[in-house]
Amino acid sequence: DQQVKQNSPSLSVQEGRISILNCDYTNSMFDYFLWYKKYPAEGPTFLISISSIKDKNEDGRFTVFLNKSAKHLSLHIVPSQPGDSAVYFCAAYAGAGGGADGLTFGKGTHLIIQP
Amino acid sequence: NAGVTQTPKFQVLKTGQSMTLQCAQDMNHNSMYWYRQDPGMGLRLIYYSASEGTTDKGEVPNGYNVSRLNKREFSLRLESAAPSQTSVYFCASSDDGNQPQHFGDGTRLSIL
Repeated sequence: DQQVKQNSPSLSVQEGRISILNCDYTNSMFDYFLWYKKYPAEGPTFLISISSIKDKNEDGRFTVFLNKSAKHLSLHIVPSQPGDSAVYFCAAYAGAGGGADGLTFGKGTHLIIQP
Repeated sequence: NAGVTQTPKFQVLKTGQSMTLQCAQDMNHNSMYWYRQDPGMGLRLIYYSASEGTTDKGEVPNGYNVSRLNKREFSLRLESAAPSQTSVYFCASSDDGNQPQHFGDGTRLSIL
């Protein structure tokens, strides 16, 4: 039973446009959410995070939105650049008492930025 | 600027062989983690160590053991490798569970 779902295995976006990556979760105990970016043959790199007490967090071109009632978060990249082409993982943390003290990952979305 | 270092980067084993994957971090983090990633899947937690001297099971611990040797090092051992353990293994560390985890570049393990 997948607790973190990324329903789009891939997404193609034109350079300069907005990329929107989506993530849904089922576990109400999740209270901290993260996005990671991964290039082939490298480890995941932390991109941006959001606590469940917020609904938006911005860092440069990257913004994460959290809708707790819908159990949904999204990552917006504006404007998209060729170097953004990578696999993006959504991850969630349940906190003390919420289960194993590690992250639960989605399966990833492969973002392809077209020139 | 090493961060999290994993050794080896690649390894091929035969079924039944044993192996230890090494991980070291230089960020003075308290918590360390081992994940595996299979094709088309996200990362799944094998074991974690919330602090030096403690270890706990994650989602997929069967067939693995771990040792938190000191604050810097966290090793993963396969006692009797099986083909189902063919995967890419990632080690990570963080200040605590509610902070971003920093990952190594992975160990690509094939078991024949």
